[in-house]
Amino acid sequence: DAKTTQPPSMDCAEGRAANLPCNHSTISGNEYVYWYRQIHSQGPQYIIHGLKNNETNEMASLIITEDRKSSTLILPHATLRDTAVYYCIVRVLIQGAQKLVFGQGTRLTINP
Amino acid sequence: GAVVSQHPSWVICKSGTSVKIECRSLDFQATTMFWYRQFPKQSLMLMATSNEGSKATYEQGVEKDKFLINHASLTLSTLTVTSAHPEDSSFYICSAHQQGYEKLFFGSGTQLSVL
Repeated sequence: DAKTTQPPSMDCAEGRAANLPCNHSTISGNEYVYWYRQIHSQGPQYIIHGLKNNETNEMASLIITEDRKSSTLILPHATLRDTAVYYCIVRVLIQGAQKLVFGQGTRLTINP
Repeated sequence: GAVVSQHPSWVICKSGTSVKIECRSLDFQATTMFWYRQFPKQSLMLMATSNEGSKATYEQGVEKDKFLINHASLTLSTLTVTSAHPEDSSFYICSAHQQGYEKLFFGSGTQLSVL
């Protein structure tokens, strides 16, 4: 079972920052938080991941709360091409194997 | 960056036939690959973990005799849907783990339609 909860959908205006929340209250100390997105009929695209500290790359920023029970993905200047389903995932250790178990994700719509 | 190639992108087959889907890591060695399936408007569901040189590990409820997985080399895993039926129609996606790196790389997916 996925260990994260996300709002099912969000809207954001083009050019604005899109802030996507994620709750992972049962996360363990050594589990990473990953964000992927999926555009219709394509494979998931890696965005960013983090453990404790905030992270930033060319695509987005990841803000993780101090207690690590939630995080926020920030797309600083959303464009129409950022419309996608965004998945927040905690890497799960199952039977000795690290796996990415997907939850339902947030369908983000960027409006012109 | 690392690339995972999945082939074919789409396939249409008759009920009762078998279909093979390939997943290749193009510029890295993947000791572990994962296979997912996705129905319309739903999330990805993990089917199995493919380990190079050993038997795949299947998730609960996934029939191993129905979905044959072979991971014969460090760059190739295959999923064969045997005796396909219309209910097997789905989007199948593979991903590969590069040892020493934290992230998984995903293929572009295969849309299977069984008539």
